[in-house]
Amino acid sequence: GENVEQHPSTLSVQEGDSAVIKCTYSDSASNYFPWYKQELGKRPQLIIDIRSNVGEKKDQRIAVTLNKTAKHFSLHITETQPEDSAVYFCAATILGGAQKLVFGQGTRLTINP
Amino acid sequence: NAGVTQTPKFQVLKTGQSMTLQCAQDMNHNSMYWYRQDPGMGLRLIYYSASEGTTDKGEVPNGYNVSRLNKREFSLRLESAAPSQTSVYFCASSGRISNTGELFFGEGSRLTVL
Repeated sequence: GENVEQHPSTLSVQEGDSAVIKCTYSDSASNYFPWYKQELGKRPQLIIDIRSNVGEKKDQRIAVTLNKTAKHFSLHITETQPEDSAVYFCAATILGGAQKLVFGQGTRLTINP
Repeated sequence: NAGVTQTPKFQVLKTGQSMTLQCAQDMNHNSMYWYRQDPGMGLRLIYYSASEGTTDKGEVPNGYNVSRLNKREFSLRLESAAPSQTSVYFCASSGRISNTGELFFGEGSRLTVL
């Protein structure tokens, strides 16, 4: 089955700097890669996703890149702000029927003022 | 429109006791899921239901049972709770294939087994 590895487990950056979180997946059939943000004590919420027919996707300060050959994808946050502090999870799955997402272990991002 | 609602939010059990976590969604979604979240291990799928009337095992099904009562409701049962089942449990739902693959999560249920 699918296995997703996520790094780093913790990341601390200065406000205004960029943050990058990386994930690798094992199943070459996976074609959908979402990123979820979980604030302290809250539920995970989707912030951006990418499908395997696209190499990069951007939404304001957030971007995701996908390298299918190497089976890795990354989340990039630019101009970080205090409200970006949270735990971020990457995930992978094959679209169709139920979305059986396999999640990475999570990255705790702290933005220092 | 409440989204995904799960109860209870907190529960303390003794080893060997049983309990059921309830989940309901009002988004007319076909698929529903139960995940557990443990520190450093992300979210792991326990069971899922692709559509009403079907259930399947996820990554960590041992010690759990589920029931898809109808399209709206999906319950998770612990028959004989163990300390290893201390965790935060999230119910989630997702729509049809033609929609996005987004999962909508409930607020979570924190379970402690003593």
